[in-house]
Amino acid sequence: DADVTQTPRNRITKTGKRIMLECSQTKGHDRMYWYRQDPGLGLRLIYYSFDVKDINKGEISDGYSVSRQAQAKFSLSLESAIPNQTALYFCATSDPSLSGGFSTDTQYFGPGTRLTVL
Amino acid sequence: DAKTTQPPSMDCAEGRAANLPCNHSTISGNEYVYWYRQIHSQGPQYIIHGLKNNETNEMASLIITEDRKSSTLILPHATLRDTAVYYCIVRVARLGGFQKLVFGTGTRLLVSP
Repeated sequence: DADVTQTPRNRITKTGKRIMLECSQTKGHDRMYWYRQDPGLGLRLIYYSFDVKDINKGEISDGYSVSRQAQAKFSLSLESAIPNQTALYFCATSDPSLSGGFSTDTQYFGPGTRLTVL
Repeated sequence: DAKTTQPPSMDCAEGRAANLPCNHSTISGNEYVYWYRQIHSQGPQYIIHGLKNNETNEMASLIITEDRKSSTLILPHATLRDTAVYYCIVRVARLGGFQKLVFGTGTRLLVSP
């Protein structure tokens, strides 16, 4: 989805290096997410943010940190990269809405960053 | 969230309709059915979602059975670019709070010329 962009798209780095992955969105959504995907393991949630003042850990936040610089920007940092952080990383956004008394919160994903840690 | 069951793979000829089934027999009354797809190594793409009624958008149609225990995603005229893994996901329509988006193993759809 072109409304959600991620940079860089590919990155190769060495063990111990600090890495930042960036996500920007033009959808005007308040909620943003970072996921990683490993072969055979599906998507796992790293961090999520409901607005610029709200940051929450996901299921695998150890070794990662995030920064929500603005409504449109959500960055993921690997403080000291290790090889098992080699994965595909996806950013997503959502904007909950009410319809007929029920709430929907559809997530829209960016194109991903392929990170390799040597 | 209710568990979903999908066939691991399906084939479809280009130009024909692709009908992807999903069983969610334990679905609750306040749970939506969502469909996403993922083309190899790209970001998951939202397709459609529904609660009770059938839904249609520019990408696909979603048919939900009357008892809501199963649904079918229909791609009316499949193209080679529709080759992807398709995920059926059931999520609670919860007001406020957060619920994780859980992708199962999905159905790998192969569209052939």
